[in-house]
This record gives sequence, C-alpha cells and structure tokens, in this order.
Amino acid sequence: EDQVTQSPEALRLQEGESSSLNCSYTVSGLRGLFWYRQDPGKGPEFLFTLYSAGEEKEKERLKATLTKKESFLHITAPKPEDSATYLCAVQAVSTSYDKVIFGPGTSLSVIP
Amino acid sequence: SQTIHQWPATLVQPVGSPLSLECTVEGTSNPNLYWYRQAAGRGLQLLFYSVGIGQISSEVPQNLSASRPQDRQFILSSKKLLLSDSGFYLCAWTFTPRVGYTFGSGTRLTVV
Repeated sequence: EDQVTQSPEALRLQEGESSSLNCSYTVSGLRGLFWYRQDPGKGPEFLFTLYSAGEEKEKERLKATLTKKESFLHITAPKPEDSATYLCAVQAVSTSYDKVIFGPGTSLSVIP
Repeated sequence: SQTIHQWPATLVQPVGSPLSLECTVEGTSNPNLYWYRQAAGRGLQLLFYSVGIGQISSEVPQNLSASRPQDRQFILSSKKLLLSDSGFYLCAWTFTPRVGYTFGSGTRLTVV
C-alpha cells in the first residue's frame, strides 16, 4: 500500500537554528513528491515538486531534496514567520493519475 | 489570475442535518477539482475529484456526495450528517497534480 510518513511530528527551533524535516514514502513508482506549507486555519500553499532522486529545489530559506525513499526539507536560519505545518505529498504511478497521497505533516514553531 | 473561493468558512450543524459546501474557481477553464478532508493531526484525505462537468470520482465510501454542475463549480453535499463528518474541508484545483494544487481557504465543519 502506498504510504507517506513525516517526522518529527512537531519541531521547535530558536530563530536562526537550522534543521531538517523528513518525509518517507513507500510507493511502487514515484511520479512526483510535493511540499506544501499550511498556516493555521488556512489551506495548504504549494512550495515544491521533486520528480527524481537527486533533485533539489530552493525557495528563500527552504531547500527540498529527494532520494529514492525519502525527502528532506532543510530550513536554514529560520525566522518566526516560517512557523507553519509542512506537508509532504506523493503521486504514485500505481494510483489514479489524479490521486495524491498526503503525509500527516510536521508542525514547525520558530521562537524569536 | 486564477482564484478559488470556498464557503462558508465555518459551519456548525446538528447530527442528521443536510450539508452543502460550495467551491468556485475563477480565471481558468476546465480545471481538475478536488475535495479533501483534514482531521486534526492527520493528513489530507481525498474525498472526490472531477476532471470535467458531471464527472465525479469517489475515493472513500461515506455519506457524502459531490457534484459539478458547471465547469468551475464543485459542490460537496450530505443528506444526513454524522458526528464523524466533522473536520476541515478543502477544495482545490489544478491542471495536473505535478505542478501542485491551489487550495481554497477551507471550511471548518463541526457536527454536534
């Protein structure tokens, strides 16, 4: 069964303290892996798509990387405004073309 | 530019009452439309998706239904709500999931 897990469940960082969030996936074939940011009470906001192992994408203080079994979202020198829940999602070859499986998310808090 | 509207923002309904949530997209034609539900601490669960008018695919057997009466309108309905229907409902659109979804602002449904 296609599955997406994320760790840690929650993460508290001091402002400027760099860290990484993990997304592990089990799928028969990967069409794409996605990262979203979700603020409380709002819909998720698309950040990145990664298509193949070794690929990297960057946006401001965020950098996403992909291997054959997992993805990391690296946060460099985070600021309080980076506080949010970060969702990972996977589109698998085995599923309907339009189906994307989301992980439970990592709740990030950046303390000033 | 494309925008997605979803309403209402919050809703409190008694068990056994009907439900109708509406989602509309502006600035694009023939989008793929999706309804997701997000329970606290869990990933987004795909409920329905539609690739065209009158074309609805259901992912989870339940007492909810969806309809797409117009190209840019997607409606989520229930004849009789259950307590387990409580959650955060999100509408989304895309042309292909590989470029990411655009989500609406969500509806917080509480069934009492």
